[in-house]
Amino acid sequence: SQKIEQNSEALNIQEGKTATLTCNYTNYSPAYLQWYRQDPGRGPVFLLLIRENEKEKRKERLKVTFDTTLKQSLFHITASQPADSATYLCALDMSGGNNRLAFGKGNQVVVIP
Amino acid sequence: DAGITQSPRYKITETGRQVTLMCHQTWSHSYMFWYRQDLGHGLRLIYYSAAADITDKGEVPDGYVVSRSKTENFPLTLESATRSQTSVYFCASNKGPAYEQYFGPGTRLTVT
Repeated sequence: SQKIEQNSEALNIQEGKTATLTCNYTNYSPAYLQWYRQDPGRGPVFLLLIRENEKEKRKERLKVTFDTTLKQSLFHITASQPADSATYLCALDMSGGNNRLAFGKGNQVVVIP
Repeated sequence: DAGITQSPRYKITETGRQVTLMCHQTWSHSYMFWYRQDLGHGLRLIYYSAAADITDKGEVPDGYVVSRSKTENFPLTLESATRSQTSVYFCASNKGPAYEQYFGPGTRLTVT
């Protein structure tokens, strides 16, 4: 069966450091992968999309990589700030391009001032 | 610009009751989605719709019914609520594949 795995343990990180999250998937080759941020009591908010033919994507302090051989995406927050504290979800279209996303369970980040 | 809204935000109902959760988007997005989010499971797709009058099942459709008579609305009905349907429900929409999904604020449903 298809699986998306994110680290279930919260990542505690000192302000100013780089936070790195991992998203691993199995048994599929998605055309693209997305990352979302979710704050408590709110809906997820889109951050970045990376396609299978892209190795890296950046947006301000965020960077995403996509290794289709390893079936893995890394999500980096550089110069982390307390406001970056949230849960980060990766999502893949595992429906052959039919626009149905499967989400990982999310990885919580806590930035310590 | 309201974006995507859900109502009610909170609902408590009894087992066996019918409940309808509403979702409305103002962007005229073709696609709309219903997810539920539970501890230990993450977001799971219940139903989705590619356009008005076109709906299809997601990962966990049992016990739910949807309709989409207008592009902007996508109500989700629990025909006979069960305790296992206690969850937070999110509606989302987007333009199509490879576009970002926009999520509503969620409805917290408790079935007693």
